[in-house]
Amino acid sequence: DIQMTQSPSSLSASLGGKVTITCKASQDINKYIAWYQHKPGKGPRLLIHYTSTLQPGIPSRFSGSGSGRDYSFSISNLEPEDIATYYCLQYDNLYTFGGGTKLEIK
Amino acid sequence: DVKLVESGGGLVKPGGSLKLSCAASGFTFSSYTMSWVRQTPEKRLEWVATISSGGSYTYYPDSVKGRFTISRDNAKNTLYLQMSSLKSEDTAMYYCTRDREGFDYWGQGTTLTVSS
Repeated sequence: DIQMTQSPSSLSASLGGKVTITCKASQDINKYIAWYQHKPGKGPRLLIHYTSTLQPGIPSRFSGSGSGRDYSFSISNLEPEDIATYYCLQYDNLYTFGGGTKLEIK
Repeated sequence: DVKLVESGGGLVKPGGSLKLSCAASGFTFSSYTMSWVRQTPEKRLEWVATISSGGSYTYYPDSVKGRFTISRDNAKNTLYLQMSSLKSEDTAMYYCTRDREGFDYWGQGTTLTVSS
């Protein structure tokens, strides 16, 4: 089974700032990683798939990169509505989620 | 618009059974692989089960294999999850998801609590 190690588990940043979350896979996942935003009371929302492809309607403030075992996700120009928990998902071999990162605004 | 609406959650005693349903609309249900994903009280997301578009192939993690059964009725645009031999660690919010580049659409979830 592929394990996904996501960090940090929480972070705090200022409005207008930038944050970066990383996920490390236990083996090469061939760029098959997606990133989700999850707010209370709703289902998670897919933001990015295949490492860096934005879903329709997702602003370019969100971005992803990486290859092999190491991947990152960034949000720039932080806005109040970005407060949420973010998860990575590998879908190269079945499915495994990262542990999540709770984002707070300072 | 794609819509997934789960139902059937509730309170069940350990060892009990429950069946979840997911009504799909806004897309050609029979063309998509579908899955169930759960979020534990600790906020971990866990993949639970996947079924191919025609229903011939199913996949499960070891944690639920032999206890959970995913199925679908393409005529009714409905996905199911039959859960048996339930344990306290199955307590979670269960989401129905459409499989495309990971899970591209999610429902709002239905809650299962396993407790005596």
